[in-house]
Amino acid sequence: GENVEQHPSTLSVQEGDSAVIKCTYSDSASNYFPWYKQELGKRPQLIIDIRSNVGEKKDQRIAVTLNKTAKHFSLHITETQPEDSAVYFCAASEDKFYFGSGTKLNVKP
Amino acid sequence: NAGVTQTPKFQVLKTGQSMTLQCAQDMNHNSMYWYRQDPGMGLRLIYYSASEGTTDKGEVPNGYNVSRLNKREFSLRLESAAPSQTSVYFCASSEASAGQDYEQYFGPGTRLTVT
Repeated sequence: GENVEQHPSTLSVQEGDSAVIKCTYSDSASNYFPWYKQELGKRPQLIIDIRSNVGEKKDQRIAVTLNKTAKHFSLHITETQPEDSAVYFCAASEDKFYFGSGTKLNVKP
Repeated sequence: NAGVTQTPKFQVLKTGQSMTLQCAQDMNHNSMYWYRQDPGMGLRLIYYSASEGTTDKGEVPNGYNVSRLNKREFSLRLESAAPSQTSVYFCASSEASAGQDYEQYFGPGTRLTVT
C-alpha cells in the first residue's frame, strides 16, 4: 500500500516568517494530495489540495507544490500568524486516503 | 446541512465489551471512511466504503467490523474491545469517484477509552 512520510514533526517559527512542511509518497498511482489543519480537540479541516495534473496551487497565504517525478509535495505558509498554530497533515490518495504523521506548527508572536 | 455526524462523542468500555460507533452524512456522498487517530500519529484508515453495499479493509482493520447500512450511514463495530483500541475515531465522507471532487469531510470524532 501507500506510504506517506511527513517532515518535520514539529516546527516553530516567528510570526511573519514562512513555514514549509514536506511529504513524500510511495505509490505513483496516487493522484490527489490534500492538506489538513487540525486544532486541538477538533476534527481535521481541509485547507488546500492539489491533483496530480497540477504542479502548484495557491490560496492567499497558503500554497502547495507537487513533484510527481520525485513523489513529493510541500505546504508553504507565508506571513504566519499565531492562529496558524495547529497540527498539519498531508495525505495521498487514489481511492483510499493515506495520511502523514503530522507536523505541529507553533507560531510565536 | 449537518454534514457528518457521529455518536457517541465519548465512550468508556471495559476490556471484552462490544459497541457500535454510528456515523451519518447528509451530503449524498458515495464514499465513507473510518479512521483512528492515536497521539502523535496521523489518521490511519480502518475501513472504507466506496459506495453503498461495498466495504474494504484499510491499514488497520483487525478487531473491527463495519456495515454500510445505506448511502447515509456507515457504522463501526468493536466486537471485543481491547486497551489497544483506545483512540479517537473519525468518520469521513467524500464523493471520491474518478474525476470528481475528492474532498473529505470529517465528523467531530468519538473519543474511546478501553480499560
